[in-house]
Amino acid sequence: QQQVKQSPQSLIVQKGGISIINCAYENTAFDYFPWYQQFPGKGPALLIAIRPDVSEKKEGRFTISFNKSAKQFSLHIMDSQPGDSATYFCAASKLGGKLIFGQGTELSVKP
Amino acid sequence: GAGVSQTPSNKVTEKGKYVELRCDPISGHTALYWYRQSLGQGPEFLIYFQGTGAADDSGLPNDRFFAVRPEGSVSTLKIQRTERGDSAVYLCASSLTMGEGPFTDTQYFGPGTRLTVL
Repeated sequence: QQQVKQSPQSLIVQKGGISIINCAYENTAFDYFPWYQQFPGKGPALLIAIRPDVSEKKEGRFTISFNKSAKQFSLHIMDSQPGDSATYFCAASKLGGKLIFGQGTELSVKP
Repeated sequence: GAGVSQTPSNKVTEKGKYVELRCDPISGHTALYWYRQSLGQGPEFLIYFQGTGAADDSGLPNDRFFAVRPEGSVSTLKIQRTERGDSAVYLCASSLTMGEGPFTDTQYFGPGTRLTVL
């Protein structure tokens, strides 16, 4: 019940395209859903996060879509750029608690 | 302002040895978290502190792992009798507080310590 499942494992997108990464969770007590971006040799950095009281949150080129009834949420990266090439992790938690991370998606944006 | 710092950045040790990994959180952050990340995997929770006390240590894999935060700031993760399976990147994160809201609860990660057990 603590798992967060993330797909796809890897993703190749052309520059300017849309990158979509999906996650599903099981524990209905989770109330905080962040996405982290990680570059090789670096720690994860928060990209964007959402609470379950809204269905969508947008920050610049990054959008989270949240479906509470399906227990799914996704990250959309619009106008993907080569600099977006990184590993992306979804996570879930009770606010302030331990983060349960997905397995990660390695995104490659081709010029 | 400085972010979360971790030392050493790399640690190579032999099986059976004792290691200590240090985390300096962002100044003023009361909550501190330790995670472990194996190659190609997402970080896995180990333990978190609110102030000096361990609020949740349910992720520590066994009694060879121990963490302290004696003054509510710097934390040390201690691993006894290291095994090859302990090889991973150990990540530390801190947040301003815990359980009060998404702004204050954002976890900021350090660069990690890469532990290699030979």
